[in-house]
Amino acid sequence: AQSVTQLDSHVSVSEGTPVLLRCNYSSSYSPSLFWYVQHPNKGLQLLLKYTSAATLVKGINGFEAEFKKSETSFHLTKPSAHMSDAAEYFCVVSVRSSASKIIFGSGTRLSIRP
Amino acid sequence: NAGVTQTPKFQVLKTGQSMTLQCAQDMNHNSMYWYRQDPGMGLRLIYYSASEGTTDKGEVPNGYNVSRLNKREFSLRLESAAPSQTSVYFCASSEALGRDADTQYFGPGTRLTVL
Repeated sequence: AQSVTQLDSHVSVSEGTPVLLRCNYSSSYSPSLFWYVQHPNKGLQLLLKYTSAATLVKGINGFEAEFKKSETSFHLTKPSAHMSDAAEYFCVVSVRSSASKIIFGSGTRLSIRP
Repeated sequence: NAGVTQTPKFQVLKTGQSMTLQCAQDMNHNSMYWYRQDPGMGLRLIYYSASEGTTDKGEVPNGYNVSRLNKREFSLRLESAAPSQTSVYFCASSEALGRDADTQYFGPGTRLTVL
């Protein structure tokens, strides 16, 4: 069985400080892992994805995530937050060949304080 | 190149009314999906189409039907709308379900309210 847990429903940071959005997963198979971002009243956009090629994955807008199999985690980080990063972020786990095994986390809303 | 488009953007229905949500993609993708998004619940898969000519149920299919009209278009129909179907609906497409780390591309969403 697969599951994904985003540990914080809301994170608030000051502009220019680091961002950490936490995601833990559970999967019976080798998973693919994704982070998507959703700006207000918009669709979802891919930030980055893990495909087993490298454990540290770099994405768009300065975000990166590290796959840690021993901790079953795929946390999203950014060294310095920008006001435009304010959005909802979703961690997603999937297994090849089964759409029914694409599981979205419940989302983390990131707020940026000036 | 518009990506994934959805119509309408907003819709208000009365209980029992029917409607069809339209979705089209211009990326020549094989797979298409319909999700609903409710507060605090992430996205839940309603139906998907792995390839043209096939459709399958997702996590929450009850009360919905779909049609994969051709490779580009995938519609979602509510035959008799209920207030529990008030939600934001997203269509997505991907190159091919089954590929490693197949990335989904999302439309802008349809905000549906059922009174």
